[in-house]
Amino acid sequence: GAVVSQHPSRVICKSGTSVKIECRSLDFQATTMFWYRQFPKKSLMLMATSNEGSKATYEQGVEKDKFLINHASLTLSTLTVTSAHPEDSSFYICSASVQKGTEAFFGQGTRLTVV
Amino acid sequence: GESVGLHLPTLSVQEGDNSIINCAYSNSASDYFIWYKQESGKGPQFIIDIRSNMDKRQGQRVTVLLNKTVKHLSLQIAATQPGDSAVYFCAENGNFNKFYFGSGTKLNVKP
Repeated sequence: GAVVSQHPSRVICKSGTSVKIECRSLDFQATTMFWYRQFPKKSLMLMATSNEGSKATYEQGVEKDKFLINHASLTLSTLTVTSAHPEDSSFYICSASVQKGTEAFFGQGTRLTVV
Repeated sequence: GESVGLHLPTLSVQEGDNSIINCAYSNSASDYFIWYKQESGKGPQFIIDIRSNMDKRQGQRVTVLLNKTVKHLSLQIAATQPGDSAVYFCAENGNFNKFYFGSGTKLNVKP
């Protein structure tokens, strides 16, 4: 089956630093990748959608300068949380799909803690 | 974005009983829906999907029903097992291939 690998699974960083999270589709080419944020006992909130080779589309209320997304290849997308603050602490999850109307496969998630 | 919501935040069932989890969506243009299962600290896991040209789809022990008239989805789990305990989300594939998630239902299976 299709596998999406997300790295790291956990990261702790200091306030003011930047953190990069990687999302890789291991056995398929993902034309579209999605980044979600999830607070405890809450649903997944779509942050942005990225297509390979083009700029990400951010959801309303998500700061594009804060959450930098790069989708440089059909198998890799990265999310960089810049100048992280404690309120950025959350569970970040990526997913990838081959085309519209097909399953989105999810990574294992990244637990970010900003201290 | 689209609004996808659930009626029951928590559902407790006895092992062996059937479970029904409901979901409402708001974008009538959505044409593809997925139910996901999420265990604590993990990413969502695909359960079953359905396209808007269908009203029912069956998998192994699971059935998804789609009512486009009232924009409602349900997930039925037959003979619920302790391993089914998790949070279940419906996701709506709407405009621009985006997937929006509902608020989730926590399923507790009592032995």
